[in-house]
Amino acid sequence: DGGITQSPKYLFRKEGQNVTLSCEQNLNHDAMYWYRQDPGQGLRLIYYSQIVNDFQKGDIAEGYSVSREKKESFPLTVTSAQKNPTAFYLCASSGGQGATGANVLTFGAGSRLTVL
Amino acid sequence: AQSVTQLDSQVPVFEEAPVELRCNYSSSVSVYLFWYVQYPNQGLQLLLKYLSGSTLVKGINGFEAEFNKSQTSFHLRKPSVHISDTAEYFCAVSEGDTGRRALTFGSGTRLQVQP
Repeated sequence: DGGITQSPKYLFRKEGQNVTLSCEQNLNHDAMYWYRQDPGQGLRLIYYSQIVNDFQKGDIAEGYSVSREKKESFPLTVTSAQKNPTAFYLCASSGGQGATGANVLTFGAGSRLTVL
Repeated sequence: AQSVTQLDSQVPVFEEAPVELRCNYSSSVSVYLFWYVQYPNQGLQLLLKYLSGSTLVKGINGFEAEFNKSQTSFHLRKPSVHISDTAEYFCAVSEGDTGRRALTFGSGTRLQVQP
């Protein structure tokens, strides 16, 4: 079945360490997105990529970095510069023809990062 | 810039009662609107979407929403809820084909269905 796979599901990190969250999709979607979810704040956009080898900052990009070397993959690195990294991270993708394909996001199951 | 406001952070309701979850948006251009549902520790699942055409949109699990351009609202409704509808619901907007396609989400409404 087509979908988005995020790993790991749970991750613990010590302060000062970088950590990379994996996101892989087999939907043949052009666009991919990373969101951060905190209780009571909904989802906030970190980075997004419309095509391979190109990405844009979202609303809360500071302390994060991404790469898009392959269409299927969009890993997110949470760096030590991110002041409050404990959160639930969601990866999504969109693609296909017309408005439906371009704007409807399919989400992965999420990765929960806890900084000790 | 686009934004979404979900006025109620929590909505408690008894099983088989009707429910309405409110959503208002702001944008300077035409928009596409969405409702997603999230069960605990899971990703988001699309409930329904408004892209164009009829302003009354029907989605999965018996939910529907009505796009009201004059009131900039997209409220979600269900005539009779079940225990299994207990979840968090997110309203989202994108600026369609000419604007930022990444969705902007509201802060969410937790629907608690009681027996």
